[in-house]
Amino acid sequence: NAGVTQTPKFRILKIGQSMTLQCTQDMNHNYMYWYRQDPGMGLKLIYYSVGAGITDKGEVPNGYNVSRSTTEDFPLRLELAAPSQTSVYFCASSSLKNQVNYGYTFGSGTRLTVV
Amino acid sequence: EDQVTQSPEALRLQEGESSSLNCSYTVSGLRGLFWYRQDPGKGPEFLFTLYSAGEEKEKERLKATLTKKESFLHITAPKPEDSATYLCAVQPREGYMLTFGGGTRLMVKP
Repeated sequence: NAGVTQTPKFRILKIGQSMTLQCTQDMNHNYMYWYRQDPGMGLKLIYYSVGAGITDKGEVPNGYNVSRSTTEDFPLRLELAAPSQTSVYFCASSSLKNQVNYGYTFGSGTRLTVV
Repeated sequence: EDQVTQSPEALRLQEGESSSLNCSYTVSGLRGLFWYRQDPGKGPEFLFTLYSAGEEKEKERLKATLTKKESFLHITAPKPEDSATYLCAVQPREGYMLTFGGGTRLMVKP
């Protein structure tokens, strides 16, 4: 039972480079999310998806893009990396049960440094 | 706009020294309040969901309580392995998105 799997765990990018952070879940959850976590700042929502083919912006979407072609996968794309995107990125998934956002499960994170 | 404020930001305890972490929230009707534990270098792990004022839930040395404006995570006789960051989040009655607080970093010394 893998839950939410994120790759890579660590990455160093140069300013202006691009990369894709991968996220896969095996719990058949409809809802998926991307967060960034900066030291002492809590979790900030970047993008989210309520199902395959449906995505929407969160609190801090600038500089990022997502796609959701399947229920399982929710990759996050960084275009033209900037130092401000240095952070730890978490993918999460969940389902609704009796209207409660149930089973919110996080991946182990990707630590990204932009130099 | 939903808001969640956790205090203190950091808490140092001696092993066996009980204490409480606070989570104050402002939300347009509460559907659920969630507590998570996050170890260094890992993603948050689910601890509890509370749904209504007066509700309490326990797990080992942890007990979570809920009022109409705040939640407390009580830690009884903590051990060094309880050291982690504890996150609080709320889900409004209308909607499904969670809003997270900034967390409390707990350090328990032997």
